[in-house]
Amino acid sequence: EAGVVQSPRYKIIEKKQPVAFWCNPISGHNTLYWYLQNLGQGPELLIRYENEEAVDDSQLPKDRFSAERLKGVDSTLKIQPAELGDSAVYLCASSPAPTTGEQFFGPGTRLTVL
Amino acid sequence: GQSLEQPSEVTAVEGAIVQINCTYQTSGFYGLSWYQQHDGGAPTFLSYNALDGLEETGRFSSFLSRSDSYGYLLLQELQMKDSASYFCAVRAGGGSGAGSYQLTFGKGTKLSVIP
Repeated sequence: EAGVVQSPRYKIIEKKQPVAFWCNPISGHNTLYWYLQNLGQGPELLIRYENEEAVDDSQLPKDRFSAERLKGVDSTLKIQPAELGDSAVYLCASSPAPTTGEQFFGPGTRLTVL
Repeated sequence: GQSLEQPSEVTAVEGAIVQINCTYQTSGFYGLSWYQQHDGGAPTFLSYNALDGLEETGRFSSFLSRSDSYGYLLLQELQMKDSASYFCAVRAGGGSGAGSYQLTFGKGTKLSVIP
């Protein structure tokens, strides 16, 4: 079974530029999560989707971050404009249902904002 | 909100046993998960405890005491490849709302296995 796929793996941009991350979850997983992970810290939830509906986006900075999950499969996370403090690893995860402590993570996108 | 505490670093000898503790403060507790993450890699699920007691999976075991808001991960017969960061994560929430399914991660414990 293929795992969670993310692209790009690395991205370097200048501040104030836009950036987008893409995630393809494991086939059949209805629940999709976007996390942010700073160096030396644990993942922090940004948004959770159930199919195509964002059911928990309370920690998503909506002034500059946006996300979508069209057709309940792939998802895109966007930052516009990026700030220096956005430099981090952005992780996508999926699970067959939300009622589980097990999530399957992708390799992440390491973002560097200069 | 939720808060978790775990040691920042642990060093152990190859072949030995190591225990990584996790204490948490939360409301609406559902369960405690453990994840492993190698440098530059993705977090990988190890175990999930919803009930008190010990769960064993190969060389790894996880324990939970709900009354003490405490859990630990036990790694036996340590191997060099076990050098990684280990995160505990609580699944908690305030009821049937969206937060019920949120995992909140600790800051992680960096395990170094030495020869």
